[in-house]
Amino acid sequence: QVRVVQSGPEVKKPGASVKVSCQTSGYIFSHYGITWVRQAPGQGLEWMGWISGYNANTNLAQKFQGRVTMTTDTSTNTAYMELMNLRPDDTAMYFCAREGPTGPLVFDVWGQGTMITVSS
Amino acid sequence: DFQMTQSPSSLSASVGDRVIITCRASQSIDSHLHWYQQKPGKAPTLLIHMTSTLYSGVPSRFRGSGSGTEFTLTISGLQPEDFATYFCQGSHSTQSRFGQGTKLETK
Repeated sequence: QVRVVQSGPEVKKPGASVKVSCQTSGYIFSHYGITWVRQAPGQGLEWMGWISGYNANTNLAQKFQGRVTMTTDTSTNTAYMELMNLRPDDTAMYFCAREGPTGPLVFDVWGQGTMITVSS
Repeated sequence: DFQMTQSPSSLSASVGDRVIITCRASQSIDSHLHWYQQKPGKAPTLLIHMTSTLYSGVPSRFRGSGSGTEFTLTISGLQPEDFATYFCQGSHSTQSRFGQGTKLETK
């Protein structure tokens, strides 16, 4: 079955960068995209952007342009999200999810989440 | 840059009740509106996509409707496992946004 497994929690200092991985299995990676969504503690969901599993084209939310890089490694069916110049308000659970066959920008299988804590 | 506005932010109900959650887009998103359920400490799960299509395995007591800028999620005959937070998600062109969420609690 389709699985999406994310890397483990990280603690970073302000100004640092963090790179989260999202390893997929159970489907043809190049057929679907991957999206990234974050959720600050006790808050709602915030869409960060999307990357194509086919050609690595990206669409980022304006808020994250210039600070987020999304990449893929088709040899391991893994997507990555790097967030730079971290601030305390970047402390959140970061989710990746597959954009599946149900439609464009519909996220049918989610990773378990990766907690990123930014603190001096 | 479009926005999604969801209401109410919280809702108290009892098992067996019918509840309605509303989501409004700041511009037309046609039928590109989807609903997710999230339980504490877990990732969201897809309930309904493209306004009204139930995702595989989702019970028929969940129903989505609407078009353009106004959408609703109706849950009829609430079950204990339905008490959770619900998010709408709209997409326009290459951008996507979530509503603020509705926390459904036991009365």
